[in-house]
Amino acid sequence: GAGVSQSPRYKVAKRGQDVALRCDPISGHVSLFWYQQALGQGPEFLTYFQNEAQLDKSGLPSDRFFAERPEGSVSTLKIQRTQQEDSAVYLCASSLRSGRGYEQYFGPGTRLTVT
Amino acid sequence: SQQGEEDPQALSIQEGENATMNCSYKTSINNLQWYRQNSGRGLVHLILIRSNEREKHSGRLRVTLDTSKKSSSLLITASRAADTASYFCATDATSGTYKYIFGTGTRLKVLA
Repeated sequence: GAGVSQSPRYKVAKRGQDVALRCDPISGHVSLFWYQQALGQGPEFLTYFQNEAQLDKSGLPSDRFFAERPEGSVSTLKIQRTQQEDSAVYLCASSLRSGRGYEQYFGPGTRLTVT
Repeated sequence: SQQGEEDPQALSIQEGENATMNCSYKTSINNLQWYRQNSGRGLVHLILIRSNEREKHSGRLRVTLDTSKKSSSLLITASRAADTASYFCATDATSGTYKYIFGTGTRLKVLA
């Protein structure tokens, strides 16, 4: 079946612009995670959804970052007034069940470059 | 900040040799996962080991977990060029959050 998809795959934004990154998880997966990965580093947790409920947003670096999953499937990560330090790969992952302790299926990521 | 730390940071071996990489973490965990990342396939789950397990096998992969030392190791036997990738461990952080914490990764290069 289809895996996790993300769009766009690449995004170039001028500093100060708003961006929206989309994640289509595997159909039926309850959990959805967003991560930020800087070059040469491991992914860093941003936020977690169980269906449409955002249960953990402790990793969002500032109030410029906002995520939603209104119908419990597709999710959007929005970054307002982008800064150069926001340049990174943004990864989305889904898993079948709620909570932790289950395999996460990752999308290919969106590479964001802020100029 | 990242909890996990993989060791070594980089490893280069010949095809057919075994590769061992280690992961250390700081806080108590319920489970630990290993992932592989290469440019072709992105991040792929390899194996999950729970805190009450000491060893787990999957094909050419063997994972051990020592909760007293807060460390895990991943062994890849009979390595292939296709195993060239970065390998990350990921741990569930303290209770009350849904956060998974990834290590800094080991970059493995398998030479044909």
